[in-house]
Amino acid sequence: TQLLEQSPQFLSIQEGENLTVYCNSSSVFSSLQWYRQEPGEGPVLLVTVVTGGEVKKLKRLTFQFGDARKDSSLHITAAQPGDTGLYLCAGRRLELHDSGGSNYKLTFGKGTLLTVNP
Amino acid sequence: GAGVSQTPSNKVTEKGKYVELRCDPISGHTALYWYRQSLGQGPEFLIYFQGTGAADDSGLPNDRFFAVRPEGSVSTLKIQRTERGDSAVYLCASSLSMGTQYFGPGTRLLVL
Repeated sequence: TQLLEQSPQFLSIQEGENLTVYCNSSSVFSSLQWYRQEPGEGPVLLVTVVTGGEVKKLKRLTFQFGDARKDSSLHITAAQPGDTGLYLCAGRRLELHDSGGSNYKLTFGKGTLLTVNP
Repeated sequence: GAGVSQTPSNKVTEKGKYVELRCDPISGHTALYWYRQSLGQGPEFLIYFQGTGAADDSGLPNDRFFAVRPEGSVSTLKIQRTERGDSAVYLCASSLSMGTQYFGPGTRLLVL
């Protein structure tokens, strides 16, 4: 069951264009994270958004968490070839264990594969 | 800087064989996670260790999969009687308690 739906699945654009990718869920998460993954590498964390309605900026990347903490968007301004990669959103939910411990379980979307052509 | 390392980086095996995948977490990280990423998918949670114990193994697909972390550092994911459907990238991540998870580069497993 894919709890997080990402769209579009594939995106190919020219250098200098703007783009937005979306991450939607029917579930509420305590926080949501965006990762970027390059071929042959593991995902690298870009940002964590925690509060409903929160907006965070990382250079040309703008991340927004929905008011209900069920969805998020990533906007890239003036995309560059170095932005090429797989963008993954992941919802964090606190899981309580019978042992008394707890952990944040990450549920990932399928990702948006972005290609920025020079 | 010592990030999360995984060995081997690639593993090709035959259907029915046994494989072991190793993860070396960041030094001092008490939490360790295993994920599986199939082609065209995001990573899927397999198992979580806090120290030496598996606190959550709800993501292991069946009893052919098992993981250990005997000394609370290095972890080994073991797959018995491999099937073609087990082919995927197996990712390991570590964190300080419930902090940010740092991922390794993964082991690409191909079962022929």
